[in-house]
Amino acid sequence: KQEVTQIPAALSVPEGENLVLNCSFTDSAIYNLQWFRQDPGKGLTSLLLIQSSQREQTSGRLNASLDKSSGRSTLYIAASQPGDSATYLCAVSGGNTGKLIFGQGTTLQVKP
Amino acid sequence: GAVVSQHPSWVICKSGTSVKIECRSLDFQATTMFWYRQFPKQSLMLMATSNEGSKATYEQGVEKDKFLINHASLTLSTLTVTSAHPEDSSFYICSAKGQRGLLNEQFFGPGTRLTVL
Repeated sequence: KQEVTQIPAALSVPEGENLVLNCSFTDSAIYNLQWFRQDPGKGLTSLLLIQSSQREQTSGRLNASLDKSSGRSTLYIAASQPGDSATYLCAVSGGNTGKLIFGQGTTLQVKP
Repeated sequence: GAVVSQHPSWVICKSGTSVKIECRSLDFQATTMFWYRQFPKQSLMLMATSNEGSKATYEQGVEKDKFLINHASLTLSTLTVTSAHPEDSSFYICSAKGQRGLLNEQFFGPGTRLTVL
């Protein structure tokens, strides 16, 4: 059974700092991995999707990497801003059904 | 990105009543829709997968007679919480995938906050 773990559970950094969020999964036979952002009481915003054949994806200040063999992904946020404060979720898809298994999330606070 | 809507965005109901939540894909045909539940300070847990025109597939531990799912068209899926109780209070989020975006990419709705008194 696939399990997804995110470390740390919470993170507080000063504005401008670069940071890394970690995600690990137990079954390397994934179809893809997605990183999402969730603001309090809101739905999910998709940030990056990495197909199993890819090693990284970039969007603006965000860079996500994927190492399938070790069951790990990282989300790198450059030059963090207070507006980046949110909960970041990673999720893996195990096959063509599209079912996503989510991690518990990392709650990020960027202080001005 | 593709747009998925949910209605209502929040609902308060009395214990024992039924509540229907709608999930619509506004600009693409969704062959598959997913329903998730999220309790406070927890992550999303998949409840069921519904394919248009067929019965939903429920995850282990989810009562199919309590959470009725209908996916009657390629743009609409509904989740009905029957005889709701306070422990059903949660944030319900749907997602849709289909003829849009990358293969297997899911697009999420904004969620519905259900409070059962």
